[in-house]
Amino acid sequence: AQSVTQLDSQVPVFEEAPVELRCNYSSSVSVYLFWYVQYPNQGLQLLLKYLSGSTLVKGINGFEAEFNKSQTSFHLRKPSVHISDTAEYFCAVKGAQKLVFGQGTRLTINP
Amino acid sequence: DGGITQSPKYLFRKEGQNVTLSCEQNLNHDAMYWYRQDPGQGLRLIYYSQIVNDFQKGDIAEGYSVSREKKESFPLTVTSAQKNPTAFYLCASSILTGWGNEQFFGPGTRLTVL
Repeated sequence: AQSVTQLDSQVPVFEEAPVELRCNYSSSVSVYLFWYVQYPNQGLQLLLKYLSGSTLVKGINGFEAEFNKSQTSFHLRKPSVHISDTAEYFCAVKGAQKLVFGQGTRLTINP
Repeated sequence: DGGITQSPKYLFRKEGQNVTLSCEQNLNHDAMYWYRQDPGQGLRLIYYSQIVNDFQKGDIAEGYSVSREKKESFPLTVTSAQKNPTAFYLCASSILTGWGNEQFFGPGTRLTVL
């Protein structure tokens, strides 16, 4: 079975500062990992995904994530955030049929 | 434009009433899913379907029912047996339920029980 833990429920940062949202996973099989973003009262939008190959994955809106198999982590990073990045971010791990989500991290950008 | 539509956006229900949430997709996806979202709990899978006329229970199916009579439609009924139905409901679809396939999400329906 797969599980996901997002280590921070809320992350406040100042505009133009870097940010890292942490995600650890557990799985007994090969994993496929995803980061989704949810703006208020909307559905989820895919930011990026890791299926195989390079462990550094680049996504939309300047986000990137690094897959670390030894630490079972898939942390999301952005070098400089903007007010428009204010949203909730979900890490997810995919098995054969189901997508298992973490609890979410609320990113708040302060001017 | 291809995508997933959910209706209504907001829904109010009295206790003891059944209510049906609509989900339609024009992406020609085989698989469809229903999730429930509560604050601080992420998304939890209610039901999913890989093919027309077939569906499987997810992690929290009790008090919910679904049907899949058409490939593009996957309505969810929240029954009076669901003890705490107030939540944000998200529908999703994907090409197949196989490994690595991305799920696409609709805009959600917020259900409030009065």
